[in-house]
Amino acid sequence: DSGVTQTPKHLITATGQRVTLRCSPRSGDLSVYWYQQSLDQGLQFLIQYYNGEERAKGNILERFSAQQFPDLHSELNLSSLELGDSALYFCASSVNTGNTEAFFGQGTRLTVV
Amino acid sequence: DQQVKQNSPSLSVQEGRISILNCDYTNSMFDYFLWYKKYPAEGPTFLISISSIKDKNEDGRFTVFLNKSAKHLSLHIVPSQPGDSAVYFCAASGFNFGNEKLTFGTGTRLTIIP
Repeated sequence: DSGVTQTPKHLITATGQRVTLRCSPRSGDLSVYWYQQSLDQGLQFLIQYYNGEERAKGNILERFSAQQFPDLHSELNLSSLELGDSALYFCASSVNTGNTEAFFGQGTRLTVV
Repeated sequence: DQQVKQNSPSLSVQEGRISILNCDYTNSMFDYFLWYKKYPAEGPTFLISISSIKDKNEDGRFTVFLNKSAKHLSLHIVPSQPGDSAVYFCAASGFNFGNEKLTFGTGTRLTIIP
């Protein structure tokens, strides 16, 4: 158990809908990262927050947004969903930012039908 | 632009032998490197890391080697066990703004043959 909690574990929704994925980082971790893994491919970096502030942005679609709340949990919002958004979405957390291990949650499997 | 590359998508090794997984990077601002292990439908699990001030780091059966001049790192698993069968990702990061997140390679699927 990494200490990073993601909910829900599975999500099935229709095209055009909006969903919210939630992540609770390990106790004491200030940095949260979101990654997308499609069809057993690599881990694509989406976005990073550090202590409530956006720190880095990857290839995140405009239809996707995220935030980190004062209690340090984070949410990833995916809207106007398309079939191609079906993927595993992972959240990771680390104590600080840069040159440190990040610990991953179990992921949310999103299926868009 | 793939800044971290794992050129071998798969590798099969006999149980008890050494497994060597390779990784190359292009971004000279990376100075911290990690290996993760991933089982299907689970999150990646941190295995071992190395800072650029070192060229080797050992943890039990796992050793990571770093060759900065070649921008190359490798993970050695000795001896290989059936439970080591998984996908292995290398990752890299740096201290400078913009490189702080982990950039992952595409992974190598390791199969240990009993």
